[in-house]
Amino acid sequence: AQKVTQAQTEISVVEKEDVTLDCVYETRDTTYYLFWYKQPPSGELVFLIRRNSFDEQNEISGRYSWNFQKSTSSFNFTITASQVVDSAVYFCALRVVNDYKLSFGAGTTVTVRA
Amino acid sequence: DADVTQTPRNRITKTGKRIMLECSQTKGHDRMYWYRQDPGLGLRLIYYSFDVKDINKGEISDGYSVSRQAQAKFSLSLESAIPNQTALYFCATSDADRGSTDTQYFGPGTRLTVL
Repeated sequence: AQKVTQAQTEISVVEKEDVTLDCVYETRDTTYYLFWYKQPPSGELVFLIRRNSFDEQNEISGRYSWNFQKSTSSFNFTITASQVVDSAVYFCALRVVNDYKLSFGAGTTVTVRA
Repeated sequence: DADVTQTPRNRITKTGKRIMLECSQTKGHDRMYWYRQDPGLGLRLIYYSFDVKDINKGEISDGYSVSRQAQAKFSLSLESAIPNQTALYFCATSDADRGSTDTQYFGPGTRLTVL
């Protein structure tokens, strides 16, 4: 069985601070995919990134960056120079290859104060 | 226009009522899913469908049923709603074609309240 843990329930920062969201996963499969989704206050779920288990290269997209480390089973997400519009709930998720099921973490609520 | 749409966006109903939530997609994806979100629990899978003739139960299917009317439409029904079905419901789609990422894309959600 797969499991995703987001230990941080809530994070509050002041605008322009960096914020890192932790995601730790458990799986016995060697091939899997990791995802991050953003849920802004309006409620929709927005896909941010997908990472394959065989690709440990970190990725940067604008102010967002992701650090994937298989050795520690972690897929952490950093928002650099946070903005009020980054306020949202962020979900980490895991899917193993040949399986339909997305296993979600409980989510981390990020509040960015002006 | 949004690729995945859900109707209604908000619904308040009473215990015992039958209610249907609808999902439509223009992404051309074969796979469709229904999830519910409860505070502190993330999203949990209710049902999923890999094509019109292939429907499967997820981890929390009790009290729910689904219908895949067409490739683009997937409906979720609560035959007799109860208060603990109050939640935010999401429809999602993914592309199962060879070489695709099978990433799931979500609709805007339906907020259901059962009184």
